[in-house]
Amino acid sequence: NAGVTQTPKFQVLKTGQSMTLQCAQDMNHNSMYWYRQDPGMGLRLIYYSASEGTTDKGEVPNGYNVSRLNKREFSLRLESAAPSQTSVYFCASSDQGFTEAFFGQGTRLTVV
Amino acid sequence: GQQLNQSPQSMFIQEGEDVSMNCTSSSIFNTWLWYKQEPGEGPVLLIALYKAGELTSNGRLTAQFGITRKDSFLNISASIPSDVGIYFCAGQDNAGNMLTFGGGTRLMVKP
Repeated sequence: NAGVTQTPKFQVLKTGQSMTLQCAQDMNHNSMYWYRQDPGMGLRLIYYSASEGTTDKGEVPNGYNVSRLNKREFSLRLESAAPSQTSVYFCASSDQGFTEAFFGQGTRLTVV
Repeated sequence: GQQLNQSPQSMFIQEGEDVSMNCTSSSIFNTWLWYKQEPGEGPVLLIALYKAGELTSNGRLTAQFGITRKDSFLNISASIPSDVGIYFCAGQDNAGNMLTFGGGTRLMVKP
């Protein structure tokens, strides 16, 4: 059972570079989310997609864009990476609502 | 945004001991959740609480939704080495909005 799969698992970027984090879920969930996790701060929501075809900003959307490619896939793009975006990024999905979400294993991103 | 204060930040205990941690908020929540995160993994939902005063167990874990709706508690009885990880609380307000997470409690268990 794959659940929520994120790629890549690790990435190092130079300031100003761009990249896309990929996420796919095989649970036929309607909602998908992108969170970032910084030491001592818990998880903060970047963007979410309540259903296919919709996306909404979360708590910390600046510097990011998202695409809900289809029901399975939800990607997160950094257009011009900054050191402040060094973090661990988690994708999650749920049938509906924020509470019963399943998380991927995370992408550890370092921007130098 | 809303803030959740989770304490303690870390605990180093002996195997077999009981553990208590809590979260407090300045705002009222309608849902409280407790997650566990192991190294290199994403958070996994342990317990969900939907009603003030609710007490729910999941094996050796017991969580309570505070009567004031501004706090929640998680207890782990008879800890074992595999309990090691970071435990997060999260709250959701009555509008069904996005979750607010606490900063986590890092639990270390000495065999």
